[in-house]
Amino acid sequence: EAGVAQSPRYKIIEKRQSVAFWCNPISGHATLYWYQQILGQGPKLLIQFQNNGVVDDSQLPKDRFSAERLKGVDSTLKIQPAKLEDSAVYLCASSPQAVGGGKGYTFGSGTRLTVV
Amino acid sequence: AQSVAQPEDQVNVAEGNPLTVKCTYSVSGNPYLFWYVQYPNRGLQFLLKYITGDNLVKGSYGFEAEFNKSQTSFHLKKPSALVSDSALYFCAVRDSTGFQKLVFGTGTRLLVSP
Repeated sequence: EAGVAQSPRYKIIEKRQSVAFWCNPISGHATLYWYQQILGQGPKLLIQFQNNGVVDDSQLPKDRFSAERLKGVDSTLKIQPAKLEDSAVYLCASSPQAVGGGKGYTFGSGTRLTVV
Repeated sequence: AQSVAQPEDQVNVAEGNPLTVKCTYSVSGNPYLFWYVQYPNRGLQFLLKYITGDNLVKGSYGFEAEFNKSQTSFHLKKPSALVSDSALYFCAVRDSTGFQKLVFGTGTRLLVSP
């Protein structure tokens, strides 16, 4: 099966600019996650979608970050305006409705964001 | 809240020797535990998981992990390390209290020397 697709792979922007990342999950996976991985740390969940609804955005900095999954398939994560501390790898993952069988969660290759 | 701890930032081992990467967990209820590997400029790749059943879980690339409920540990092991195993390893636990997100440890860098 095709994996989780993410674009772009790399992005360099200046602080206060805006940026958007795109994710296309595995076909049929109801749940989509966006994680932020700062260098030297483990991934941290930013937002979780179940179909096209948000089920957890408790760690999303809502003053500058936004995300949508309008049709319950692909998703976009936006940062506006970016800060230096937003430099990180942004990982998208998806999972079936019931996690337990198989691999459960599948991750994309990530987008490496550098804010200068 | 669910959490995992990886006490070692880095593990060094010679090729051909056995390796262990440590993980301890804290959960309410039954733990769903995972190991992932991350190579440079790549996403996270699934190695293995423990849901229930046999305490010794076998996974990809010859890795296995031992679930120990009394010690709340889920250590990753391999009998004979390869240089190509050098990477960043993450332990994770599924959050059973909400919407099943994965909560990750801080990661352990494994360096296998020739």
